[in-house]
Amino acid sequence: EAGVAQSPRYKIIEKRQSVAFWCNPISGHATLYWYQQILGQGPKLLIQFQNNGVVDDSQLPKDRFSAERLKGVDSTLKIQPAKLEDSAVYLCASSLEWASLSETGELFFGEGSRLTVL
Amino acid sequence: LAKTTQPISMDSYEGQEVNITCSHNNIATNDYITWYQQFPSQGPRFIIQGYKTKVTNEVASLFIPADRKSSTLSLPRVSLSDTAVYYCLVGDMSAGNTPLVFGKGTRLSVIA
Repeated sequence: EAGVAQSPRYKIIEKRQSVAFWCNPISGHATLYWYQQILGQGPKLLIQFQNNGVVDDSQLPKDRFSAERLKGVDSTLKIQPAKLEDSAVYLCASSLEWASLSETGELFFGEGSRLTVL
Repeated sequence: LAKTTQPISMDSYEGQEVNITCSHNNIATNDYITWYQQFPSQGPRFIIQGYKTKVTNEVASLFIPADRKSSTLSLPRVSLSDTAVYYCLVGDMSAGNTPLVFGKGTRLSVIA
């Protein structure tokens, strides 16, 4: 079974430039998450989608970050303009609908997109 | 959301059993306890999940006392490849709006 796909794996940009990350979740997974992981810290949830609706985006810096999930499948996360403190790994994860999680509670993560802002 | 507290780091020799304890004093009735493992340059990977008592799979065991205010992840006979960061998460698996929150995790170093 194919896992969660993310691209690009690495991106280096200057501050104030823009960047976009793409995520393709596991087929059939209704819930999609974007996490930000700064070096040495645990992943921080930025946004959670259920199908193509937003469940939680309370920690998404909306003045510069945006995310969408068209048609309830692929998702993109955009940063514009980037700041130095946005340097991090951006992790995408997916899971079955919540009703099924009581069996395994499992999120499936991609390998992440590492962003360096200079 | 129930807050979790774990040791920042642990060291172990190969072949030993490692126990990592997580405190979650404010755990709610519907909350499950889930552990993830993360290797460098990879996303976290699910290890085990439980609600109460003991759960065991091919990778680890999870011990949860009756009051559920803590849990212990047990890794039998660790090897160098078990060197990773381990995260304890607590959340309501029946509520679709509850996000899964990661803490700082426990960095386990296995020494030969």
